[in-house]
Amino acid sequence: GENVEQHPSTLSVQEGDSAVIKCTYSDSASNYFPWYKQELGKRPQLIIDIRSNVGEKKDQRIAVTLNKTAKHFSLHITETQPEDSAVYFCAASMGGNTPLVFGKGTRLSVIA
Amino acid sequence: GAVVSQHPSRVICKSGTSVKIECRSLDFQATTMFWYRQFPKQSLMLMATSNEGSKATYEQGVEKDKFLINHASLTLSTLTVTSAHPEDSSFYICSATSGGAEKLFFGSGTQLSVL
Repeated sequence: GENVEQHPSTLSVQEGDSAVIKCTYSDSASNYFPWYKQELGKRPQLIIDIRSNVGEKKDQRIAVTLNKTAKHFSLHITETQPEDSAVYFCAASMGGNTPLVFGKGTRLSVIA
Repeated sequence: GAVVSQHPSRVICKSGTSVKIECRSLDFQATTMFWYRQFPKQSLMLMATSNEGSKATYEQGVEKDKFLINHASLTLSTLTVTSAHPEDSSFYICSATSGGAEKLFFGSGTQLSVL
């Protein structure tokens, strides 16, 4: 089955700096890659996603890039703010009604 | 976005008792629901996939007789933790979809504490 690796597990950045989180996946059949932000005790919130027919997607300060050949995708957050502090999860899915397989998460701390 | 309601949000129970968690899609018909478990500071681990009217498909290592899943209607799935033990203490969260991973919505989660 699909296996998703995520790095780093923790990341501290100064406010205003950029943060990058990287994930790799194992199954080339995966075609949908969302990123979630989760605060303690809360449900994951979808922040951005990308399909396999697209190489990059941007939404204001957040961007995701996908390299299908290398089977890796990355989350980029620019101009970080303290409220960006949370745990971020990447995930992969083969589409249809197949489940999301999550990475282990990255705890991002933005220091004011 | 669509709304998935999950209850209870928190439950504390004694060891040996059973606990039922409900997951409802409020404004759409959920053909498929997924149940995840999340231990502190860890990732969401898929427990099972349930399709309306069918038996749930459990992931390897998840005991189907311990974690009973019922998806009797297109808007409701339940997870029953039978004879709960302290090691079952975890955050349980459901997700529902009517049309694939891109239309997946999460419930608010249930924090289960077994004493």
